[in-house]
Amino acid sequence: AQKVTQAQTEISVVEKEDVTLDCVYETRDTTYYLFWYKQPPSGELVFLIRRNSFDEQNEISGRYSWNFQKSTSSFNFTITASQVVDSAVYFCALNVGGGNKLTFGTGTQLKVEL
Amino acid sequence: SAVISQKPSRDICQRGTSLTIQCQVDSQVTMMFWYRQQPGQSLTLIATANQGSEATYESGFVIDKFPISRPNLTFSTLTVSNMSPEDSSIYLCSVDASGGGPRGEQFFGPGTRLTVL
Repeated sequence: AQKVTQAQTEISVVEKEDVTLDCVYETRDTTYYLFWYKQPPSGELVFLIRRNSFDEQNEISGRYSWNFQKSTSSFNFTITASQVVDSAVYFCALNVGGGNKLTFGTGTQLKVEL
Repeated sequence: SAVISQKPSRDICQRGTSLTIQCQVDSQVTMMFWYRQQPGQSLTLIATANQGSEATYESGFVIDKFPISRPNLTFSTLTVSNMSPEDSSIYLCSVDASGGGPRGEQFFGPGTRLTVL
């Protein structure tokens, strides 16, 4: 069975601080995909990144960066110089074998304050 | 990416009634998915809807409670039947965005916020 754990329920930071959101996954499959989604207060889920199990390169996109480590089954997400607009719930998700089902973590509520 | 719209965006309903939620996609897609997000919780897959076949329901969800239609490749409906306050949730529609590329990626609609009194 697949599982995604986001141990941080809520994080509060002051604007311009860096923040890392943790994600730990469990699967026995060798082929899988990991995702991060952002859910702002409006409710819509916004796709941020996809990573497949064969590509452990870290990725940077503007203020966002992702650290994928198979050795620790982690796919952590860092926001550099956080902004108030980053306030949202962030979900990590796992897809196994390229099938249809996404398994979501419980989400991390990020609050960025002035 | 696909553009997905849902109707209604929100509704307040009385116990015992039913609500049908519509999901429209701007391109043809093979698979559409319906999720439920209870207050403060994560997303749970209700069912997968393929055009021309019966929806496939996840454990804990049944067709009598959540009937789904998929009349064509751009549209689907989810009905929440005989509602109770426990059905108060955000219901999200999503589509498989693989289009021949890496599988598993889904794009989500804006969601329908349902409150049952």
